[in-house]
Amino acid sequence: SQELEQSPQSLIVQEGKNLTINCTSSKTLYGLYWYKQKYGEGLIFLMMLQKGGEEKSHEKITAKLDEKKQQSSLHITASQPSHAGIYLCGADSGTYKYIFGTGTRLKVLA
Amino acid sequence: GAGVSQSPRYKVTKRGQDVALRCDPISGHVSLYWYRQALGQGPEFLTYFNYEAQQDKSGLPNDRFSAERPEGSISTLTIQRTEQRDSAMYRCASSLRPSQDQPQHFGDGTRLSIL
Repeated sequence: SQELEQSPQSLIVQEGKNLTINCTSSKTLYGLYWYKQKYGEGLIFLMMLQKGGEEKSHEKITAKLDEKKQQSSLHITASQPSHAGIYLCGADSGTYKYIFGTGTRLKVLA
Repeated sequence: GAGVSQSPRYKVTKRGQDVALRCDPISGHVSLYWYRQALGQGPEFLTYFNYEAQQDKSGLPNDRFSAERPEGSISTLTIQRTEQRDSAMYRCASSLRPSQDQPQHFGDGTRLSIL
């Protein structure tokens, strides 16, 4: 069965620093979705990637999907305390049900 | 509604009781999904519907779990004879249609605690 691995599991950065979170799949992805989760709240949809080599940006967050569609990265530029939370990558393996990684817990120190 | 709405937000019940968790998807969304999330883990798929038809229930752990969406809108996830291992965050999501180009949008979840 398909699995998603995220790294690192947790990350503490100083405000203003850049950071990258990785998501690797054991199989080719039909769709890769990034979500952010804050404690006690829902998963907030960030970005969706479908095509090999695709890159999308929203504000200071950029997500990329590699050409083979098995690895994605989420890059945050000039991090802020508001970026803190748990980042989850989710994948659709072709059956419309998502599988998720275990998440990356991000803390940004002011 | 503007977003996916789940109720209750928190549910504490004694072992052996039945519980019903409700999900009201985004208006007009055809597809509705249920997931369960343990602490420190990502959500795990339980079941999903297109309109009122249950398309896949392969993630339901056992026959104590069931779900319905009788009118193709609101859905209920029911757990009978609850056990402590059922304690988790239960999340509902909806998408405009079943397609890889339509992301799933999640509600805030129901945190279920079985005593």
